[in-house]
Amino acid sequence: KAGVTQTPRYLIKTRGQQVTLSCSPISGHRSVSWYQQTPGQGLQFLFEYFSETQRNKGNFPGRFSGRQFSNSRSEMNVSTLELGDSALYLCASSLSAATNGYTFGSGTRLTVV
Amino acid sequence: SQELEQSPQSLIVQEGKNLTINCTSSKTLYGLYWYKQKYGEGLIFLMMLQKGGEEKSHEKITAKLDEKKQQSSLHITASQPSHAGIYLCGADGGGSEKLVFGKGTKLTVNP
Repeated sequence: KAGVTQTPRYLIKTRGQQVTLSCSPISGHRSVSWYQQTPGQGLQFLFEYFSETQRNKGNFPGRFSGRQFSNSRSEMNVSTLELGDSALYLCASSLSAATNGYTFGSGTRLTVV
Repeated sequence: SQELEQSPQSLIVQEGKNLTINCTSSKTLYGLYWYKQKYGEGLIFLMMLQKGGEEKSHEKITAKLDEKKQQSSLHITASQPSHAGIYLCGADGGGSEKLVFGKGTKLTVNP
């Protein structure tokens, strides 16, 4: 079966712009969570969606937002980009974390110049 | 909030050698995950441990969760260049669908 698909794989944006990243979970998975990975901070949780509702949110500014659609696909949006937003953005989907764990996508590499 | 500390931060071994990576939590672990990551790519799920004392193996990789459930170890037997990468431990945030991660251990296996 298809894994978690993230698009695009690479993105270059200018400071002040906004960006939208997409994540398609494994078929049947209703939970999608997003993470930011940087060399300095490592992997940090952004937010998690389940059945179109945000269930948890990490400690990130309001410029970072997300949503989930009825087909469980999720998008995250970053507005007013800053240089420090350059990172690998990963999404993970799960059917039930207790039994199946989390499956990660290949990530979107965002570079802000 | 829960914090995970991994040791060592990096490891260079000769092919064929055994090695161990540790993950220590600041709180009781309810679910501990091990992932492997090639540079700049996504995370590959290795194993999940939930019960104190639990031990799981997959090919040449064995992971254990200690009985007090605050530490896990990942052991690789007879390492190969294909084992090279960054190993990350992640823990359930406790009742929520999110993970807290350690900073990772970078493994290099020299042929």
